[in-house]
Amino acid sequence: SQQGEEDPQALSIQEGENATMNCSYKTSINNLQWYRQNSGRGLVHLILIRSNEREKHSGRLRVTLDTSKKSSSLLITASRAADTASYFCATDAVTGGFKTIFGAGTRLFVKA
Amino acid sequence: EAQVTQNPRYLITVTGKKLTVTCSQNMNHEYMSWYRQDPGLGLRQIYYSMNVEVTDKGDVPEGYKVSRKEKRNFPLILESPSPNQTSLYFCASSPGVGWITDTQYFGPGTRLTVL
Repeated sequence: SQQGEEDPQALSIQEGENATMNCSYKTSINNLQWYRQNSGRGLVHLILIRSNEREKHSGRLRVTLDTSKKSSSLLITASRAADTASYFCATDAVTGGFKTIFGAGTRLFVKA
Repeated sequence: EAQVTQNPRYLITVTGKKLTVTCSQNMNHEYMSWYRQDPGLGLRQIYYSMNVEVTDKGDVPEGYKVSRKEKRNFPLILESPSPNQTSLYFCASSPGVGWITDTQYFGPGTRLTVL
C-alpha cells in the first residue's frame, strides 16, 4: 500500500528557478522524510520533519508539513543542474509497526 | 567510513536457484531494512529488523526471507526466485531509537535479474 504520493511525477525547470514538490499521505505519522536519488543509485537523506513541526530549512531546502491535510512540500530554491534527480518522501505510520512507506517520487530535471 | 554495503551489486540468475544478497553496516545501527524499487512504484519495503533476532514484514514480503543474527548484518534470501522478483534492491540502516524511525542510510543497491 502506498502511503506517500508525490506530485508532480516529473518537473522540468531552468537553472536558478525554484522547484516545488508535494507529498500526500494517508495515515497519522511520527515523521516525514525527504530523500534524493541520482539515477539508479542509493538514496540520500535530505531532511526529516517531525509531526509536531511545521517547517524546516536546510541550506536551499525548505520543507513544510501540514498534518491536518496530510501533506508536505519540498522547495528547492535557486536550483542547479546538479539538483537533477528523483525526490521521494517517506513516512512511518503511528500504527502498523515500524514500517517505512515511500512514495513513487518526483523526477526533477534542471536545465543549465 | 560509515557505510552500508551490499553484495553482489549485479546478479543474473535463473528461476528457482536460491540466492542471498548480503547487507552489512558499520554504524552500530539498530534498525535495518530491505526495499525493492521498480519503475513507477518507488521503493517498497520487504522486511525490516528492529534489532538482533527481531524481524517483521514490510509491504511486499512474499517470496523473501531475512535473518538478523548479528547487529551489523541483514541478508536477504530468495529461496526460489521468480522473474517478478527482477528489481533493484536496497538495504538501509537507521539508528531507529525507541518507537520512532529515523534517518535511513542506504546501500548502493543490487540489481537482480531473474530469467
